[in-house]
Amino acid sequence: QVTLRESGPALVKPTQTLTLTCTFSGFSLSTSGMCVSWIRQPPGKALEWLALIDWDDDKYYSTSLKTRLTISKDTSKNQVVLTMTNMDPVDTATYYCARTLYGGNSALGYWGQGTLVTVSS
Amino acid sequence: EIVLTQSPATLSLSPGERATLSCGASQSVSSSYLAWYQQKPGLAPRLLIYDASSRATGIPDRFSGSGSGTDFTLTISRLEPEDFAVYYCQQYGSSPYTFGQGTKLEIK
Repeated sequence: QVTLRESGPALVKPTQTLTLTCTFSGFSLSTSGMCVSWIRQPPGKALEWLALIDWDDDKYYSTSLKTRLTISKDTSKNQVVLTMTNMDPVDTATYYCARTLYGGNSALGYWGQGTLVTVSS
Repeated sequence: EIVLTQSPATLSLSPGERATLSCGASQSVSSSYLAWYQQKPGLAPRLLIYDASSRATGIPDRFSGSGSGTDFTLTISRLEPEDFAVYYCQQYGSSPYTFGQGTKLEIK
């Protein structure tokens, strides 16, 4: 079955760079149509879509955050990595990775449990 | 960028009642690529509806989605106690794949 799990630091300092890893199983990101997204949710607030990478290594980013985000994949390790530079306390949130339900344009059918990242000095 | 506006922000209903949640898009959503998710406290979102009207696997048939273009609706025909949660819409027709701000469905 499809599973995803986010990992990374629970606490980062302002101005630091955050690196999060999504480790998945049950599918290959080299399969045509497969896509993995990152989404975040500040405490008590709404979901915010951040970035997507597809099987063909095409990448898409949030308009407001694209200068700070980089998404990449390591197909051999079944991992997707998100980096976010210049972290600020407003970036405190639970960060989720998720896979599309089916190939191409598709809803997010499979989600990790999320990892809480706190930005504080 | 497509902005999704959900209404109402909070909906107070009783079990057994019908719930109607709306999601409006600032421009037409390509090919009705719109999804609805349910989120309960402390948990990841769960996909309910995709492609505007298709139920995800295991979702009860009291949940239904409709709409096209810029206006979409999630209907819960008869509320069960476990349906009280926050609901989000998301469009995935054009990047960035934005979410709405959510509707909280609470027990009256």
